[in-house]
Amino acid sequence: GENVEQHPSTLSVQEGDSAVIKCTYSDSASNYFPWYKQELGKGPQLIIDIRSNVGEKKDQRIAVTLNKTAKHFSLHITETQPEDSAVYFCALNSGNTPLVFGKGTRLSVIA
Amino acid sequence: EPEVTQTPSHQVTQMGQEVILRCVPISNHLYFYWYRQILGQKVEFLVSFYNNEISEKSEIFDDQFSVERPDGSNFTLKIRSTKLEDSAMYFCASAPLQGEYGYTFGSGTRLTVV
Repeated sequence: GENVEQHPSTLSVQEGDSAVIKCTYSDSASNYFPWYKQELGKGPQLIIDIRSNVGEKKDQRIAVTLNKTAKHFSLHITETQPEDSAVYFCALNSGNTPLVFGKGTRLSVIA
Repeated sequence: EPEVTQTPSHQVTQMGQEVILRCVPISNHLYFYWYRQILGQKVEFLVSFYNNEISEKSEIFDDQFSVERPDGSNFTLKIRSTKLEDSAMYFCASAPLQGEYGYTFGSGTRLTVV
């Protein structure tokens, strides 16, 4: 099945700085790319998604970019705040296949 | 905002015992999923369910696992004879349609097999 590689596994940034998490995939049929945030003891929460016909999407401080040619997509968080600290997962699917998740990135925002 | 509700939040069971994990998906969603997450690892797909039958399952979802939607609202995952390695967080998710739609996840059930 499809595999998605996520980097880095951990990321520490100073409050106010930007954070970038990147995922790469191999199946060119992949066409839906959501990002989930998981806080301690909770389930993954969808924070932003992008479809294959779009190159970039932004929602306030978070944005996602997609490079279909290179088969990678990235999450960008600007002006990070302590409450952004969590584990972030990229995911993808193609057609009607179930979502496949990356291994996650533990983001720590240091005040 | 509509939520996916899972019960119990934590279940401790003896090895070899049966457990049933329960989920109430969002009412107008049609697609239902179970995922699991072993501590500190990624979220892994177990099974998808649509129109009262399994639509896809992973290699993890062996004969010890079963799912059903007994009453049109609850969606359950049963593990017949639990093993130590079944210890994990189990997440239920639902989606309105299939394909390019994000899933809404519940808060999970932490299963501990002793």
